[in-house]
Amino acid sequence: DTEVTQTPKHLVMGMTNKKSLKCEQHMGHRAMYWYKQKAKKPPELMFVYSYEKLSINESVPSRFSPECPNSSLLNLHLHALQPEDSALYLCASSQDEQGSAYEQYFGPGTRLTVT
Amino acid sequence: AQKVTQAQTEISVVEKEDVTLDCVYETRDTTYYLFWYKQPPSGELVFLIRRNSFDEQNEISGRYSWNFQKSTSSFNFTITASQVVDSAVYFCALEGNNRLAFGKGNQVVVIP
Repeated sequence: DTEVTQTPKHLVMGMTNKKSLKCEQHMGHRAMYWYKQKAKKPPELMFVYSYEKLSINESVPSRFSPECPNSSLLNLHLHALQPEDSALYLCASSQDEQGSAYEQYFGPGTRLTVT
Repeated sequence: AQKVTQAQTEISVVEKEDVTLDCVYETRDTTYYLFWYKQPPSGELVFLIRRNSFDEQNEISGRYSWNFQKSTSSFNFTITASQVVDSAVYFCALEGNNRLAFGKGNQVVVIP
């Protein structure tokens, strides 16, 4: 099973709202990733968790707050977002982060609209 | 720094034609990994292939084939006898510094 699930599929939120995106994998992978993708652009890395610890933060604004409650779950907490944060948010997992030599498996994404 | 160039932005082909997507990369690492991903309109990136820098054998998987040439820093992807289901954006990516550097992607449109 190479499935990564993400909820919700679509999310519309106001700039003062607080919401969370959820990601789950049951492949025993120890690295999990959040990406942001704007239309007609490649994915941009936001955060990497390795063995449940945050290992990479690509200078993401603090209105995005990641959390890894356990090795299968990854959350992205959203607060006071801006309209320019509207994008497709993709979660991915891989066997290990070391060298990123392992392929990443992506979820279907959450399409976020900030109004 | 790692860099991946996919020069063709949108490619349209008629069904059953072959299509080749070019990927040129830059890296100073001696050991590195290259990937191709497919992103259909549904949005999910689908892993297609991983190739390490020491394995220059070409690979074929069904209608898909890959040509890795270290001498020209290229890792090209060919879809043979294209089908409408092949319509998607295809990304080439290079691993480096625990990150994937993606190319800009090739939008492939297969016309029935």
